[in-house]
Amino acid sequence: EVQLVESGGGLVEPGRSLRLSCAASGFISDDYAMHWVRQAPGKGLEWVSGISWNSDTIAYADSVKGRFTISRDNAKNSLYLQMNSLRPEDTALYYCAKDIWVHGSVFWSLFDYWGQGILVTVSS
Amino acid sequence: EIVLTQSPATLSLSPGASATLSCRASQSVSSYLTWYQQKPGQTPRLLIYDASNRATGIPARFSGSGSGTDFTLTISSLEPEDFAMYYCQHRRGSITFGQGTRLEIK
Repeated sequence: EVQLVESGGGLVEPGRSLRLSCAASGFISDDYAMHWVRQAPGKGLEWVSGISWNSDTIAYADSVKGRFTISRDNAKNSLYLQMNSLRPEDTALYYCAKDIWVHGSVFWSLFDYWGQGILVTVSS
Repeated sequence: EIVLTQSPATLSLSPGASATLSCRASQSVSSYLTWYQQKPGQTPRLLIYDASNRATGIPARFSGSGSGTDFTLTISSLEPEDFAMYYCQHRRGSITFGQGTRLEIK
């Protein structure tokens, strides 16, 4: 059974940093691109960032470019999101999501499995 | 950036009715259009990919159509569990989601 479990969220002051993790199991995680998608309270889905299966290709939404860094450790079946210079508008539930395609491109992904999400609240 | 616009924002129908949800792209996304369902407090669920292909385990009452800039998700004979939020997403060289359509019970 595919499982994606996020951790590392919480309440943080504007301008501070937070690192999210996503532990993957039930599939060969290093065969798939992985992504972060967020959802602000009561709002829709917003794609944040994606990383290819071998970390060669990385992409970010304009709203987080230069502030967030995605990475993965295939030996640990883990995905990460380092979030710096956090803003109140970054407040959201952050989902880890798996691409459906084996060795697919981050620019052509769609998501067949999602974690339960981890809440990040940016507030003073 | 390709913008996806979903309509209507809210659709009120009765169980047993047929639902038609629209997703329009600001430029062609070919057939690279995906539909998700999200119920309150739950994660999104993949329904349709590449405009018209049902994902594994999705009932036949869900169907997708369209190409280029105009896409439709049709749910025939609505079941009580179908009332939820629906999002479209494109994957043509980048990834964006539509703002969603809320399907509610009339």
